[in-house]
Amino acid sequence: AQSVAQPEDQVNVAEGNPLTVKCTYSVSGNPYLFWYVQYPNRGLQFLLKYITGDNLVKGSYGFEAEFNKSQTSFHLKKPSALVSDSALYFCAVRDPTGRRALTFGSGTRLQVQP
Amino acid sequence: GAVVSQHPSRVICKSGTSVKIECRSLDFQATTMFWYRQFPKQSLMLMATSNEGSKATYEQGVEKDKFLINHASLTLSTLTVTSAHPEDSSFYICSARDSGRAIDTQYFGPGTRLTVL
Repeated sequence: AQSVAQPEDQVNVAEGNPLTVKCTYSVSGNPYLFWYVQYPNRGLQFLLKYITGDNLVKGSYGFEAEFNKSQTSFHLKKPSALVSDSALYFCAVRDPTGRRALTFGSGTRLQVQP
Repeated sequence: GAVVSQHPSRVICKSGTSVKIECRSLDFQATTMFWYRQFPKQSLMLMATSNEGSKATYEQGVEKDKFLINHASLTLSTLTVTSAHPEDSSFYICSARDSGRAIDTQYFGPGTRLTVL
């Protein structure tokens, strides 16, 4: 069975500084990896995904993520954080069996201080 | 981009009543929709996979008689929480897979907050 780990419950960063939200995964076969962001009382918004190809994936709102097969990681990054980036971030892996459901990590709350 | 709507966005009901939540894909067809449940400060847990024209596939531990799922068309899936109890209070989120895309992407609805008194 696939799983996703987000080791940090919360990440605090000052506005303008780079941010990293960590994610590691475990899955048999080729991983399909995703990042989503959730604002209070709202559904998830898609940020980016890795299916194949370039290990550095660029997504919405200036976010990017680097797929590292040897470390089984898919960390989310942004060069310069904004206060408006403060939200709950979820890493997810797609079920490789064909059922197409997503397995989510526990979530990391990003707090960007002005 | 693709849009998924949920109705209602918020519902409060009395214990013992049933509540229906609708999930619609607004500009694409979805042969598969997923229902998730999210507890406060926790991750999303998959409840069931809804397939158009066939029975839903429930995750282990999810009562199919309590959480009735109907996927009658390519743009609509409904989740009915029957005989709701306070422990059913949660944030319910649906997602829909765009059947027309070669590499599937799930689009999430805004969620429905259910409070059972």
